[in-house]
Amino acid sequence: DAGVIQSPRHEVTEMGQEVTLRCKPISGHDYLFWYRQTMMRGLELLIYFNNNVPIDDSGMPEDRFSAKMPNASFSTLKIQPSEPRDSAVYFCASSLSGAGAQYFGPGTRLLVL
Amino acid sequence: AQSVTQLGSHVSVSEGALVLLRCNYSSSVPPYLFWYVQYPNQGLQLLLKYTSAATLVKGINDFEAEFKKSETSFHLTKPSAHMSDAAEYFCAVTSGSNYQLIWGAGTKLIIKP
Repeated sequence: DAGVIQSPRHEVTEMGQEVTLRCKPISGHDYLFWYRQTMMRGLELLIYFNNNVPIDDSGMPEDRFSAKMPNASFSTLKIQPSEPRDSAVYFCASSLSGAGAQYFGPGTRLLVL
Repeated sequence: AQSVTQLGSHVSVSEGALVLLRCNYSSSVPPYLFWYVQYPNQGLQLLLKYTSAATLVKGINDFEAEFKKSETSFHLTKPSAHMSDAAEYFCAVTSGSNYQLIWGAGTKLIIKP
């Protein structure tokens, strides 16, 4: 299996621009998680989906952030407009069951100038 | 509420020495426990997991962890450290009823030659 796939791996953008991060979970996994990792705040859960439905988005920092999962094999995390404080590594993870192990993608390193 | 405490943000051991990374959790229900490793500029990789089967769990790269309910601990050990073990290690817990992983702050393992 190819594992969780994320794109792009690196993104540099200017403040105010829209950023879209993409994730393809492991085939057959019903749960998908979006995380953000920074030095200051560590690993934070932003949102998670079960069977393509958002279950808990309480970790989404602001209305500037939105996530979708149009089908079982694709999810996006969008930031519009982006701000320098959004600079972080964003990880996508998937799991076979909610309480099971989560498998992480390589992450997208976002830098907002 | 569940929580995870990792003792020591940094642990330094000599190559060939025993590795011990500490993790204590709190949970009002039987927990599922995980250890993940993150190498520099990479995603998190599952090392091992405890899901109420054997209390001594063996993982990849000769790591193992023991679930001790009386001590609410799930410490990670490896008999002999290698230079390639230098990374950050995260402990995480979930109860199964809430499908969010609660993460420890991480411990950076430093291997001295």
